[in-house]
Amino acid sequence: GENVEQHPSTLSVQEGDSAVIKCTYSDSASNYFPWYKQELGKRPQLIIDIRSNVGEKKDQRIAVTLNKTAKHFSLHITETQPEDSAVYFCAANGQNFVFGPGTRLSVLP
Amino acid sequence: DTGVSQNPRHKITKRGQNVTFRCDPISEHNRLYWYRQTLGQGPEFLTYFQNEAQLEKSRLLSDRFSAERPKGSFSTLEIQRTEQGDSAMYLCASSLAGRAQPQHFGDGTRLSIL
Repeated sequence: GENVEQHPSTLSVQEGDSAVIKCTYSDSASNYFPWYKQELGKRPQLIIDIRSNVGEKKDQRIAVTLNKTAKHFSLHITETQPEDSAVYFCAANGQNFVFGPGTRLSVLP
Repeated sequence: DTGVSQNPRHKITKRGQNVTFRCDPISEHNRLYWYRQTLGQGPEFLTYFQNEAQLEKSRLLSDRFSAERPKGSFSTLEIQRTEQGDSAMYLCASSLAGRAQPQHFGDGTRLSIL
């Protein structure tokens, strides 16, 4: 069945460094790939998304890249700040929306 | 606040009882989704509606789970004869119609089964 894998499961970086989270998906019909940030006890919040007709999208310190041939996409956060600490989820719209298991990012001051 | 609204925020009930949760989507959104999220996991898709039509329900966890969206606006998710394993966060999201539209989530209803 459809599946989204996400790595790493936890990530610690020093403030100011970059963070990269990678996801792979199985359903070749997927054409929309959002990323969500979820702080403890709060709702998942959409931070960036990409559609399959583009390979890269950037919004200030956040960027997402997509390789449709390899079925993987990545989230890049530059100049990390303590407030970036949260759990990040990738997702893909196969037959239904499927979320990855999440990456807990800790930005150390 | 014109975001997705869910209530109640918390529900504590005894095993075997029925529970119902409500979701009010963003007003102009045609699609409404229900997810379950357990600790340390990503949201797990349950079902979705486009207007009042339930277009996918095969992922509902068992026949104890049902959802409605009778007038194409708010939706309810009901769990009958609750079990310990039903304890989780139940999230609702809404979007415009189409597969490649961003979904916006509510704060969820946290269900605890005693």
